[in-house]
Amino acid sequence: QLQLQESGPGLVKPSETLSLTCTVSGGSISSSSYYWGWIRQPPGKGLEWIGSIYYSGSTYYNPSLKSRVTISVDTSKNQFSLKLSSVTAADTAVYYCASSLEQLGRFDPWGQGTLVTVSS
Amino acid sequence: QSVLTQPPSASGTPGQRVTISCSGSSSNIGSNYVYWYQQLPGTAPKLLIYRNNQRPSGVPDRFSGSKSGTSASLAISGLRSEDEADYYCAAWDDSLSVQVFGGGTKLTVL
Repeated sequence: QLQLQESGPGLVKPSETLSLTCTVSGGSISSSSYYWGWIRQPPGKGLEWIGSIYYSGSTYYNPSLKSRVTISVDTSKNQFSLKLSSVTAADTAVYYCASSLEQLGRFDPWGQGTLVTVSS
Repeated sequence: QSVLTQPPSASGTPGQRVTISCSGSSSNIGSNYVYWYQQLPGTAPKLLIYRNNQRPSGVPDRFSGSKSGTSASLAISGLRSEDEADYYCAAWDDSLSVQVFGGGTKLTVL
């Protein structure tokens, strides 16, 4: 059974780059038909899809964030990562990683989430 | 403002049946699968329904999903106190090329 765990700094300064890693256990990140995605949730607000990467390496990004987002996979470590550049206070949120089997929107399971605060 | 519209709140008493609606358009619900997620307080969202009406293993059959045209619904029967949570619908939007979520519905069990 897949399990995902986010890790990374909880505090990032404005204009810097937010970097998070999601470690996958219980299965291979190279498994066919899987998407690996990032979703965020500002405090007290709803969910926003950031982007996903397919097992083949194809990436899909939210157009509203596309210019600042990079999602990549490290198969040797069974991890995938998120980089979000030029962050502002509006990027403060709980960031979740999730897997999707066959359909990009079928997020299951999710990591527990990690709060990232953008502040000087 | 979310592309998918959900009522901000819903409520019911134990044992009751409650439905939560999700309204979209031809570019999202009208042409793509709908997903439903449950987020218990302080926890990560959990997949409840995929492909409009399919339940992952482990999700009780008290939860059911349906879709008609550009709208979808989540029904919860035999309401329990542990069902008190936020519920989100989601779908791919072909026009925006983005996976969109509804604004969420807070379900209160009275």
